[in-house]
Amino acid sequence: QVQLQQSGPGLVKPSQTLSLTCAISGDSVSSNSAAWNWIRQSPSRGLEWLGRTYYRSKWYNDYAVSVKSRITINPDTSKNQFSLQLNSVTPEDTAVYYCARGWNYADLYYMDVWGKGTTVTVSS
Amino acid sequence: EIVMTQSPATLSVSPGERATLSCRASQSVSSNLAWYQQKPGQAPRLLIYGASTRATGIPARFSGSGSGTEFTLTISSLQSEDFAVYYCQQYNNWPLYTFGQGTKLEIK
Repeated sequence: QVQLQQSGPGLVKPSQTLSLTCAISGDSVSSNSAAWNWIRQSPSRGLEWLGRTYYRSKWYNDYAVSVKSRITINPDTSKNQFSLQLNSVTPEDTAVYYCARGWNYADLYYMDVWGKGTTVTVSS
Repeated sequence: EIVMTQSPATLSVSPGERATLSCRASQSVSSNLAWYQQKPGQAPRLLIYGASTRATGIPARFSGSGSGTEFTLTISSLQSEDFAVYYCQQYNNWPLYTFGQGTKLEIK
């Protein structure tokens, strides 16, 4: 049974960096069948996909245009986890952040396992 | 960007009755459409992928249909645990995955 355990601070100051980690059990971050995603949810934006990392002989990343200049998603194979860093945050980045596994179905990916979510507030 | 539009925003149905939720895509997503259920304080839970395939452990009262731009989620006989918010999501136009704004299913 695949489980995703999220960790990270719930309060970040404006202009600083939001950092979250998602630890994977029951699967591997290096899986050739999965992609590892970050999604956020807020009342104003709804559910918003932020980006993903995946391994296919080498590591790849894809990011949403809305955050592309500020986001980094990194795998950590030694700890079987992946992380989110979002730079230069503003109050508009206040949201519940989820990690999720994307499962390969005919070379496309639906998200079948989700972490419980981390509420992140951007405030001084 | 593909825009997903769900209707209605809120649906009031009595337990034991059928609920029909709609999702429309601004352009074709083939059958690359998923449905999720979300309860307060919880993460979304995958119900349907490929427009009509139930995810593991999902009861048979949940069914999905449609392709292209028009999709439907049907819950055949509502149980108390089914009252929640439902989201559709397209994963055809990768890597930009987009979600609908949700339909809240409430007890009538």
